[in-house]
Amino acid sequence: DSGVTQTPKHLITATGQRVTLRCSPRSGDLSVYWYQQSLDQGLQFLIQYYNGEERAKGNILERFSAQQFPDLHSELNLSSLELGDSALYFCASSFGPTYNEQFFGPGTRLTVL
Amino acid sequence: SQQGEEDPQALSIQEGENATMNCSYKTSINNLQWYRQNSGRGLVHLILIRSNEREKHSGRLRVTLDTSKKSSSLLITASRAADTASYFCATDKLTGGGNKLTFGTGTQLKVEL
Repeated sequence: DSGVTQTPKHLITATGQRVTLRCSPRSGDLSVYWYQQSLDQGLQFLIQYYNGEERAKGNILERFSAQQFPDLHSELNLSSLELGDSALYFCASSFGPTYNEQFFGPGTRLTVL
Repeated sequence: SQQGEEDPQALSIQEGENATMNCSYKTSINNLQWYRQNSGRGLVHLILIRSNEREKHSGRLRVTLDTSKKSSSLLITASRAADTASYFCATDKLTGGGNKLTFGTGTQLKVEL
């Protein structure tokens, strides 16, 4: 158990819908990262927040947005969902903003029908 | 897009044998990390090697890094059935005050009894 929690575990929804994925980092960690894992794209970095501020951005679509709240938990919002958004979404956390090992949560499996 | 390739894509060995996985990457890095993923689950950090290090050990794991060839290898000695998993290398690069991990394509290791 990494100490990172993600909810929900599974999510099944329809195209065009909007969903919110939630992540709580390990106690004491200030950085939260979001990743998408799909069969065709592999593991892709989406975005990083550190202590409430966006720090690094990857291949995150404009339909996706994230935020980190004062209690350090983070939410990833996915809107206007498409079939191709079906994937495993992982959250990870680390203490600092750079050069740290990252601790991954168990993931949320999103299925868009 | 993936930072690099891992080789082989899949590896099947007998328990007790050694397993070697290779990772190549494209751009200069700060650190290289190896992660393990059991089927459909979260990633587990194994080891981090800094760009100024050439070799690192952790238990049955040995990692080498050759920055001139932009490659790394992970050796698992005396493999066990519990080592069956996918193994990913990940390079991190400082970007605007944040940290972007870029994962390789992964090697699927199967250790048979």
